[in-house]
Amino acid sequence: AQKVTQAQTEISVVEKEDVTLDCVYETRDTTYYLFWYKQPPSGELVFLIRRNSFDEQNEISGRYSWNFQKSTSSFNFTITASQVVDSAVYFCALSEVGNFNKFYFGSGTKLNVKP
Amino acid sequence: DTEVTQTPKHLVMGMTNKKSLKCEQHMGHRAMYWYKQKAKKPPELMFVYSYEKLSINESVPSRFSPECPNSSLLNLHLHALQPEDSALYLCASSETGYDTGELFFGEGSRLTVL
Repeated sequence: AQKVTQAQTEISVVEKEDVTLDCVYETRDTTYYLFWYKQPPSGELVFLIRRNSFDEQNEISGRYSWNFQKSTSSFNFTITASQVVDSAVYFCALSEVGNFNKFYFGSGTKLNVKP
Repeated sequence: DTEVTQTPKHLVMGMTNKKSLKCEQHMGHRAMYWYKQKAKKPPELMFVYSYEKLSINESVPSRFSPECPNSSLLNLHLHALQPEDSALYLCASSETGYDTGELFFGEGSRLTVL
């Protein structure tokens, strides 16, 4: 069965600190997709990244970077030089192939960035 | 601005009321979704429509009735709800529903059942 675990319920940092959000997943599929979404207080889930199971290259986008390691079934997300606007709940998700894009969300990590 | 528009943003209803939530997207996507999100919880899938056909119903009670009039519109009809149905209802869309592409979410409709 598919499962996504985000063990960190809430993290608080001071602005300009780096912070890593952990995501561990379980799946029996060999082909799958992993996602990170940001949910600010407004409610909308904002797409951040998609990674397929065959692409283990790390990715950097501005202050955001992602570390995908199949060997440990992890897809961690790092924010460098955090800002107050980064405060939100972040969800990691796993998607099956060919099942109407069914997403399995982790429980979310609430990030508080203090000035 | 989000490309998935949901109305109303807030809704308060009694247990005997009938109301509807509406969702619209103009990205040409052919799959649309309803998710329910309780406070401090992840979104839970309720329904998936792919090419205007109901493809997934996650055993949602019949007091929730989805409708997909066309590929751009998705409604959720509400009747005889319970207080525990109070939640944020999120609509999402994706290109086809088979492509494992990202979901595009609306800002949600926050429902309170009295």
